[in-house]
Amino acid sequence: DTAVSQTPKYLVTQMGNDKSIKCEQNLGHDTMYWYKQDSKKFLKIMFSYNNKELIINETVPNRFSPKSPDKAHLNLHINSLELGDSAVYFCASSQGRQLMKQFFGPGTRLTVL
Amino acid sequence: SQQGEEDPQALSIQEGENATMNCSYKTSINNLQWYRQNSGRGLVHLILIRSNEREKHSGRLRVTLDTSKKSSSLLITASRAADTASYFCARSGNTGKLIFGQGTTLQVKP
Repeated sequence: DTAVSQTPKYLVTQMGNDKSIKCEQNLGHDTMYWYKQDSKKFLKIMFSYNNKELIINETVPNRFSPKSPDKAHLNLHINSLELGDSAVYFCASSQGRQLMKQFFGPGTRLTVL
Repeated sequence: SQQGEEDPQALSIQEGENATMNCSYKTSINNLQWYRQNSGRGLVHLILIRSNEREKHSGRLRVTLDTSKKSSSLLITASRAADTASYFCARSGNTGKLIFGQGTTLQVKP
């Protein structure tokens, strides 16, 4: 029944490692997003895909690479993890590109040691 | 900064009281949305108000929008302990992105 799901919920890893976070939505939406929320709860858009096409690519280090194998999935791969990457990463989805309501996943708390 | 300002940053009230949170922004908007985030959870959409609307209601929630002052407010009436959460405004403009404010942390004491 979960509308937007993310795995894993928690990720603890060492600096320099490569990790992936997966996101799936079963709402039939055509647009998906990745957000980063820092320790001060500031939420910032990273990427957005519409029908598997990248439409938003914020000023994010190229160590971050999103991949959308189909409309229902948007994964985030992070290379060479740094301490500053520690945050909560949220996936979200919506229908259309008109910036209507977005549905958020439960978040993945990434801790880089 | 593109972000809006939310105020207050933190609010503590007793159950049954009303809670008002404010959001200001700097550029023109298509719509403004309010979201709730419970501790350790994802954001949940509450209300969307379009730029040509002035007020919207949903249950105990009332949102107002004043585009001339570039501000919005969220009122929660008859608050409950379960309303304890962080509340975020998010505006959409012509950039194709939702820009979130930094949120108001609301604590409702039973």
